Amino acid sequence: DSGVTQTPKHLITATGQRVTLRCSPRSGDLSVYWYQQSLDQGLQFLIQYYNGEERAKGNILERFSAQQFPDLHSELNLSSLELGDSALYFCASSVERGGQETQYFGPGTRLLVL
Amino acid sequence: ILNVEQSPQSLHVQEGDSTNFTCSFPSSNFYALHWYRWETAKSPEALFVMTLNGDEKKKGRISATLNTKEGYSYLYIKGSQPEDSATYLCAFIAGNNRKLIWGLGTSLAVNP
Repeated sequence: DSGVTQTPKHLITATGQRVTLRCSPRSGDLSVYWYQQSLDQGLQFLIQYYNGEERAKGNILERFSAQQFPDLHSELNLSSLELGDSALYFCASSVERGGQETQYFGPGTRLLVL
Repeated sequence: ILNVEQSPQSLHVQEGDSTNFTCSFPSSNFYALHWYRWETAKSPEALFVMTLNGDEKKKGRISATLNTKEGYSYLYIKGSQPEDSATYLCAFIAGNNRKLIWGLGTSLAVNP
């Protein structure tokens, strides 16, 4: 157990819908990362937040958005869903010690768009 | 475009064999390289964070080396066990933007 929690574990929805995925980082971790893992691709970095502010952006579609709240939990919003958005979405939180950062991954949310 | 490549894509070994695989990354603008272990139905778990050229890290039977000048890292597993079966991912972090760029992983299967 990494200490990072994600809800829900599974989500089934239809094309065109909007969903929200939630992530609670480990206690004390200020950074939250979101990743997408599709069947035919590796881990794709989507976006990073640090202490409530967006820090880095990866391959995140315009239909997707995220935010980090004052209590440091984060939400990933996916809208106008398409079949190709079906994937496993991971969040990870991190702490930097001595200039080295280690990410701790949550269990993931498996999204199926029908 | 920054590219991180891992080879081989998959590997099957017998229990007790030692094995190694490679992560190649851009040799310029290096900040750090991470290795993660990802078992099926679980989430990725950090193995090593490597930052200095010539770094060698070890955790039990698993070790890793880093060559930032030529842009590669090796992960070694000595005396593979079935519980080592997993996908091993590396992630490169560039110095200018600190974004993680992930390789596609090497999938290791250890047969008992």
